[in-house]
Amino acid sequence: AQSVTQLGSHVSVSEGALVLLRCNYSSSVPPYLFWYVQYPNQGLQLLLKYTSAATLVKGINGFEAEFKKSETSFHLTKPSAHMSDAAEYFCAVSPQAGAGSYQLTFGKGTKLSVIP
Amino acid sequence: GAVVSQHPSRVICKSGTSVKIECRSLDFQATTMFWYRQFPKQSLMLMATSNEGSKATYEQGVEKDKFLINHASLTLSTLTVTSAHPEDSSFYICSAPLAGVHTDTQYFGPGTRLTVL
Repeated sequence: AQSVTQLGSHVSVSEGALVLLRCNYSSSVPPYLFWYVQYPNQGLQLLLKYTSAATLVKGINGFEAEFKKSETSFHLTKPSAHMSDAAEYFCAVSPQAGAGSYQLTFGKGTKLSVIP
Repeated sequence: GAVVSQHPSRVICKSGTSVKIECRSLDFQATTMFWYRQFPKQSLMLMATSNEGSKATYEQGVEKDKFLINHASLTLSTLTVTSAHPEDSSFYICSAPLAGVHTDTQYFGPGTRLTVL
């Protein structure tokens, strides 16, 4: 079984400040980990993914995340927030391989607000 | 990148009627597609896995007779909400994995907002 916990349903940062969105996972098998972004009334867009290669993963729009197995974490960061980063962010996990490997389990999401 | 479309983007219907939502993979074939529903300010909950040429697999608690899924071709899956009720109002999102190349990557449709009056 897999689960994802996102700490903080709502995070506010000032424009230009560091963005840190937290994600912890639970998985009985080695996982793949993902961060998705959702803008209002739209589907999900993949920001980045961890697939057992480098533990520090760089994604689009300046975001990156680090897989820490010892902490079962996959926190999302961006050095400097931009107004366009305001959106809902979802962390997700899937099994690495085998039946159901495509199935994603999502966290509850974190809404990021950027204050001018 | 791969594109998944959904139609319609928004639908309003009367209680008791049925609504069909289409999910298409525009530039790749998808033997598997996933259907999610998302309530306001909540996460995506997997409803079912749509399999081309075979029956869909439903998650626990999802009524298969109410949410009919048909994966008619390698690029099209449909979700029909039968005898819709106001509690079925939600945002429905489909996704499809790009198998064979990036097996870990899913592409999501833009979603369908269903409002049942």
